[in-house]
Order: sequence, then structure tokens, then C-alpha cells
Amino acid sequence: GNSVTQMEGPVTLSEEAFLTINCTYTATGYPSLFWYVQYPGEGLQLLLKATKADDKGSNKGFEATYRKETTSFHLEKGSVQVSDSAVYFCALSDYTFGNEKLTFGTGTRLTIIP
Amino acid sequence: EPEVTQTPSHQVTQMGQEVILRCVPISNHLYFYWYRQILGQKVEFLVSFYNNEISEKSEIFDDQFSVERPDGSNFTLKIRSTKLEDSAMYFCASGSERRYGYTFGSGTRLTVV
Repeated sequence: GNSVTQMEGPVTLSEEAFLTINCTYTATGYPSLFWYVQYPGEGLQLLLKATKADDKGSNKGFEATYRKETTSFHLEKGSVQVSDSAVYFCALSDYTFGNEKLTFGTGTRLTIIP
Repeated sequence: EPEVTQTPSHQVTQMGQEVILRCVPISNHLYFYWYRQILGQKVEFLVSFYNNEISEKSEIFDDQFSVERPDGSNFTLKIRSTKLEDSAMYFCASGSERRYGYTFGSGTRLTVV
């Protein structure tokens, strides 16, 4: 079946540090990959997505590249801000065999300190 | 920006009671979903709904659960007889195309006592 493994948290960084949150996946077909973010007290927001190998998703300074050879979709940001503090979820959906649900990783809590 | 709206934001119910969680998806979306997140755990898929019928459901979505789109705008999740282990944050989501991800609501926190 499909699964997503992401970096255990919590992660604490200083403002302006470089961020990487690792995500790897297992899928039987050709999945689309997503990063969702959950700010305190809010719902899940789509941060970025990539639908095929070598695609790069980007938004708000965050980037992730769909790497089929390493089955990875690591989230990166060059200079984090306090406002980036949130929980980040890697997820996949695989419609190859008609499976439309999102499979989530466990989430990584990120705290940025000034 | 269009939003998915969920009500109530927090509901407390007694074990064995029926509860209905309500969602208003984005108006031109065709695909609708419920997910849940037990505190500190993964976000889990419950059910997807398209063209007025369930298109996929998980093992969690047993006979105690049902979904409805009663009037073309609301999308509801009913739990017939709540159990303590149903306590979780329930998220509704809607999408226009399945492959490109969907928009989540801010969730309803259900507490069963």
C-alpha cells in the first residue's frame, strides 16, 4: 500500500536559518505529492504540490522537488521566519488505480525562535 | 479566497449520542471528503463523496458513520452512536480536480465524554 514517512519532530530553528524537512514515500503507482501546513488553531492548508517526477513545487519561499529515483519530496526554505512556525505534513495521492484519498505523514512541528 | 466552512468549531457530546458535523464546501467543487486527526496522531482518511454517492471509504468509516449532501451546498458527517475513541478533530475538504489536492476547512473538534 501507499505510505509516507517524514522527519520526526519537533524541529527548532533560529530565524533566517535554512530548513529541510525530509519526506519519503512508497506508492504502487504514480502519485501526486503535497506539503500541507497547519498553523496553530487552524486547518490544513495546501502549501505546495508536484504531480510528476522532477516537478518542483514552490510557494511562500518553500520548495520541494519530486524525486522518483529516491522516492522523496523534501521540503526546503532558505531563510525561515517566526511566522513559519507550524506543523508540516507531507502527503500523497495515487489515482493510478483509482485510489483518491490523501495519505499523510505524521507531521513535523517546526518552531522558529527570534 | 474561497473557503471551506465547518461548524461547529468544537462539539462536546455524551457517549452514545448522535452527532452531525457540518461543512459548506467551495461552491464549484465536485469532490468532497472527511478526514480526522486524533490528538497527536496522523491525519486519516474517512470518506470521499462524488456525484451524490460515496466513492471511497476507509476501514474507520463503519456503519456508525454516514455522509450526506442534503441540499447541494452542505456536506454532513453523522456519527450515530458516538464512542470515546471518536474524539478527534474532523476535517472536511473539497476539490475541483482530484489530482491537484483540495482545500480543507479549519476543522471541528469533537469531544466525546
